[in-house]
Formats: sequence, C-alpha cells, structure tokens
Amino acid sequence: AQSVTQLGSHVSVSEGALVLLRCNYSSSVPPYLFWYVQYPNQGLQLLLKYTSAATLVKGINGFEAEFKKSETSFHLTKPSAHMSDAAEYFCAVSDFGEKLTFGTGTRLTIIP
Amino acid sequence: EAGVTQFPSHSVIEKGQTVTLRCDPISGHDNLYWYRRVMGKEIKFLLHFVKESKQDESGMPNNRFLAERTGGTYSTLKVQPAELEDSGVYFCASSQEWDRVGYEQYFGPGTRLTVT
Repeated sequence: AQSVTQLGSHVSVSEGALVLLRCNYSSSVPPYLFWYVQYPNQGLQLLLKYTSAATLVKGINGFEAEFKKSETSFHLTKPSAHMSDAAEYFCAVSDFGEKLTFGTGTRLTIIP
Repeated sequence: EAGVTQFPSHSVIEKGQTVTLRCDPISGHDNLYWYRRVMGKEIKFLLHFVKESKQDESGMPNNRFLAERTGGTYSTLKVQPAELEDSGVYFCASSQEWDRVGYEQYFGPGTRLTVT
C-alpha cells in the first residue's frame, strides 16, 4: 500500500526566506508524486508532478521539488518566500493514474 | 474552459437527514474521483468513475454512501442517513484518460458538509 508522510503540520518562514516542506513516501512500485496547494476558500491546485522523467521538477510560482529514490523523499522548496505563498500544501502519491494518496498537509505561514 | 464545479459549497444538516452532493467534471474528462477530508486529517479517496462505471470504490466508508454518475457526465454523492462523523469537506476531481505523461487530476472547490 502507498503512503505519504508530511513532516510538520505547520511551518512558518519569514518573507524572503527559503521554504522547505518535507514529504516522504512509501510505494511498492515506481511512484508518481504530486504537490498540490490549497489557498483559502479554493480547491486544490497542482503545483508540480513527478512522472519518472527528470528528478528535479519545476512547478508554478517558483516552486520545485526533487525526487530522491534512495531517501524516498519528494521535498518541496522555494528560494524566497512571498506573502502570497501562505496556504496549505499537500503531497500525494499515485500509481498509474489511479487514486491519489495524500499526506496530512502542511500549513505554511509567511511572517512579514 | 470551465473547471470542476461542485454544489452546494456548504451544507448543514441534522443527523439522520439525507444530503446529495453534486460534481460537474471538466467536459471530456472520463475519470471522476471523490475524496473527503475530515477535519485535521488527510484527504482520503472515496471512489473513482471511468465514464459511468465505478472503477474503484474501495474508499467508500459504508453503505450509507451512494455515488452515481449519470451518462458519464456529472456525478452525485448521496449520504443517507447522515451521521456526525460524515462531517468534512468533500472534493471532486476529474482527469483525462491516463497517458503516463500528462496525467493530472483537477479538483473542484469542495463541499463543506456539517452534520449536527
């Protein structure tokens, strides 16, 4: 069975600082990995996805994530936080287009 | 192009009542998924339609939940009778046929269900 662990349900960073949101996965097959973001009162929006191509994946709004098979990780980073990045972030794993298995989410707060 | 829409956005009902949630996927998307997030927990898969057929309903909690997808277009999720533990946010998502490269599930804004 697949599973996702997101370390830290709440993360606070100062505006302009590095954003690092952690995600570790467990999968019995080569995984497809995703980061979604949910802004207040909106649905989930795909930030980026890994589908067995390049291990460093670039997404929208300056975010990127690196797939590390040896560490079973897919951490999300952004070099410089912006106030508009305040949201809840979800890591998810999927097997060949089937259901998504989500982590518990990380709420990101940006300190002015 | 319109995104995934869900109705209603909020619903407050009493224990024992019936509620029906609706999802309209993106036009042309054969795959439709329902997910639920109970407060403070992870978003959990409920079921997956391919066109009008149920591909996977392994996440449905119990037989009080009934999902349908009429003619492979919109879908409804009925809860009857509702219990307190059914409270949460119900998300719908849709996607095109899986092609191993461009796969993405597009999510609706969710329906927040409160059972009192």
